[in-house]
Amino acid sequence: EPEVTQTPSHQVTQMGQEVILRCVPISNHLYFYWYRQILGQKVEFLVSFYNNEISEKSEIFDDQFSVERPDGSNFTLKIRSTKLEDSAMYFCASSPLSSPDTQYFGPGTRLTVL
Amino acid sequence: QKEVEQDPGPLSVPEGAIVSLNCTYSNSAFQYFMWYRQYSRKGPELLMYTYSSGNKEDGRFTAQVDKSSKYISLFIRDSQPSDSATYLCAIRAPLGAGNNRKLIWGLGTSLAVNP
Repeated sequence: EPEVTQTPSHQVTQMGQEVILRCVPISNHLYFYWYRQILGQKVEFLVSFYNNEISEKSEIFDDQFSVERPDGSNFTLKIRSTKLEDSAMYFCASSPLSSPDTQYFGPGTRLTVL
Repeated sequence: QKEVEQDPGPLSVPEGAIVSLNCTYSNSAFQYFMWYRQYSRKGPELLMYTYSSGNKEDGRFTAQVDKSSKYISLFIRDSQPSDSATYLCAIRAPLGAGNNRKLIWGLGTSLAVNP
């Protein structure tokens, strides 16, 4: 069964460094999302992407964040200058045109900012 | 008032029990309701998806939406140790101008089914 994949599974970085989190959505899906989950807190929406552009972003998704779909398969989240409070699990999700509300999640990338 | 509220538990039941998990929400415009299961250090996995009010059944799982009370439930019959996980309710926000379909989440209820 097709699934969303994410790399790396765990990323450790120093405060102020740039990180890129990578996702390969399910191949025929057209809606893409990034969410994050700080330990012990709710899953939070970061950004949605459709038709090669951002369709909505949350207030968390400030100028330090960016997303890109560099080719037909990858979907990346870049954090330019990481802060301690960026430490969280980051989940990528995708959904198909036929059922756009059924979002399928990847296993997540655990980001630790030191 | 928080948009989606969910008791985090933990909830511990014996194998074979019927489990009831619940969420409340504040916005009467919400119409799409999901239940996800999340195992430790894994991504959420979609279990049930319901539109508007009513019941939906899939095997041992039943999702119920009561829009008049702004209350959603997930029932698990004949619970198994493999059902031990965190169960999250999620609600799709009303569509914005950009066709966004973001999900708004409950905190998740931790369930342990004991053999």
